[in-house]
Amino acid sequence: NAGVTQTPKFQVLKTGQSMTLQCAQDMNHEYMSWYRQDPGMGLRLIHYSVGAGITDQGEVPNGYNVSRSTTEDFPLRLLSAAPSQTSVYFCASSLAGDTGELFFGEGSRLTVL
Amino acid sequence: AQKVTQAQTEISVVEKEDVTLDCVYETRDTTYYLFWYKQPPSGELVFLIRRNSFDEQNEISGRYSWNFQKSTSSFNFTITASQVVDSAVYFCALSGGFRYSTLTFGKGTMLLVSP
Repeated sequence: NAGVTQTPKFQVLKTGQSMTLQCAQDMNHEYMSWYRQDPGMGLRLIHYSVGAGITDQGEVPNGYNVSRSTTEDFPLRLLSAAPSQTSVYFCASSLAGDTGELFFGEGSRLTVL
Repeated sequence: AQKVTQAQTEISVVEKEDVTLDCVYETRDTTYYLFWYKQPPSGELVFLIRRNSFDEQNEISGRYSWNFQKSTSSFNFTITASQVVDSAVYFCALSGGFRYSTLTFGKGTMLLVSP
């Protein structure tokens, strides 16, 4: 079982460029989410999805788009990257329900110059 | 609004010392879950424990123990006889907020264990 797979693991962008961080899970989890981790800030929720076709904003959604066309995939799009989006991004998935236990990917380190 | 406070930004101990990491939370939910995650220098997030709001029993797992006190909204984590491999950033997290499927994290406590 691969669990939650994120690609790429590292990426350098120039300001204004666009890119997509990919996230795939093979555990048939309904819930998926994206977090960003910045030094001294912990992890903050960007967007989340409770099923295919359903997404919603988290704490820090500005500058990011998401879609959920399948249960397995939850890509995070940066349409016009800014230096403030330099961060480590984590994708997570969980079973439907209220336990909140998340399974995390290994993270994607993004640098915007 | 949900909030998790880890007041200790960084803790340094010498191997074999006991160390307690503090976590205080705020929530209006009556049902919620509390978590601890470990992030070693390699960067991945390692799940340590989940505790639901109705279970205030302390839990021990090897050298790790957790003290959940609803009266003080705290969920503290103690490592007994610390080892160099315990060096990591530790995050306390709370379920709920946007949805139960998401977590509100504290800012983390960096633990450095010296030989």
